[in-house]
Amino acid sequence: DAGITQSPRYKITETGRQVTLMCHQTWSHSYMFWYRQDLGHGLRLIYYSAAADITDKGEVPDGYVVSRSKTENFPLTLESATRSQTSVYFCASSGTGTVGEQYFGPGTRLTVT
Amino acid sequence: LAKTTQPISMDSYEGQEVNITCSHNNIATNDYITWYQQFPSQGPRFIIQGYKTKVTNEVASLFIPADRKSSTLSLPRVSLSDTAVYYCLVGAPTGGFKTIFGAGTRLFVKA
Repeated sequence: DAGITQSPRYKITETGRQVTLMCHQTWSHSYMFWYRQDLGHGLRLIYYSAAADITDKGEVPDGYVVSRSKTENFPLTLESATRSQTSVYFCASSGTGTVGEQYFGPGTRLTVT
Repeated sequence: LAKTTQPISMDSYEGQEVNITCSHNNIATNDYITWYQQFPSQGPRFIIQGYKTKVTNEVASLFIPADRKSSTLSLPRVSLSDTAVYYCLVGAPTGGFKTIFGAGTRLFVKA
């Protein structure tokens, strides 16, 4: 199906483990983004990518790693998960020229125990 | 990056027009203003975007005064299903596109 998907939708992991959250979009959008949303708060930008092999830090990048070898995929890795990284993670994409118009995935709810 | 200030919450009744104002005093010349809507357990959804004056689509209107230091999202005749959090964003794509979502405005529509 066309659109933007995230996997897994739910994940429970232990402190210190590495976790990778996947994001896939079928629109061939140039821009992709990762946000986290903590309970009762707004979204905070973790990383974004303007094109394949181009990534940049957002507001809260510490503890996260991203890559973008293909336009359609933008995985987010927590190298060593901490309890403070328990959150809902949203991936989004935006086409070149559509200033500010981002399309969000359904989110991944991550719990670090 | 321009920061935004919105009311934390608003209440309304079905059928009323709702206006949510966002302040962005340090908006840059090439910044656009974008509004998103978010329902519980879902990702935000784009509502409307503008640069100056007025923009209208099938969902909402966006009013931007000449100095662009604020903007107002107008939702005509709200229904219960408009209960959501509304975010105002200011940003531009040139030189790297970073978006800042504030805390948003929680709109509660009552019957």
